[in-house]
Amino acid sequence: GENVEQHPSTLSVQEGDSAVIKCTYSDSASNYFPWYKQELGKGPQLIIDIRSNVGEKKDQRIAVTLNKTAKHFSLHITETQPEDSAVYFCAASIGGNTPLVFGKGTRLSVIA
Amino acid sequence: EAGVAQSPRYKIIEKRQSVAFWCNPISGHATLYWYQQILGQGPKLLIQFQNNGVVDDSQLPKDRFSAERLKGVDSTLKIQPAKLEDSAVYLCASSLKIYRFNYGYTFGSGTRLTVV
Repeated sequence: GENVEQHPSTLSVQEGDSAVIKCTYSDSASNYFPWYKQELGKGPQLIIDIRSNVGEKKDQRIAVTLNKTAKHFSLHITETQPEDSAVYFCAASIGGNTPLVFGKGTRLSVIA
Repeated sequence: EAGVAQSPRYKIIEKRQSVAFWCNPISGHATLYWYQQILGQGPKLLIQFQNNGVVDDSQLPKDRFSAERLKGVDSTLKIQPAKLEDSAVYLCASSLKIYRFNYGYTFGSGTRLTVV
């Protein structure tokens, strides 16, 4: 089955700097790649997703890139703010009825 | 729209006791998932329902875990008897199925289970 690896496990950045989190997946049939943000005591919240027919997607300060050949995708957060501090998870799915497989998460700390 | 509702928020039980968690998905979402999230790890799927039928329960420890989704809406996850390693957050999620694809999982806040 699908296996998703996520790096780094922890990331500290200064406020205003950029943060990049990277994930690799094993199943070349995967075609849906969402990113979730989880704050303390809450469930994961979808922040952005990308499908395999698209190489990059942006939403304000957040962007995701996908390299299907290399089987990796990345989350980019620009102009980080303290409220971006949370645990971020990548996930992958081959679609249909196949559920999402999650990475182990990245704890992002934005230092003011 | 209302989110995914879960209860209770917290539960502390002794090993070998039983416990049940409840989930009410977003109205109209046909697909419902139970994920287990152990501290410091990503969510791991336990079971997936499509309406009131089981789609995937391959990772559910069936000797102690059971789940049902009555009338294709609410769902209950039960553990009996609980073990120390069951301490985790149990997350319920639902998604809208369009054509053959499940879009935009929405998660509840989870139930934090501590087994002592």
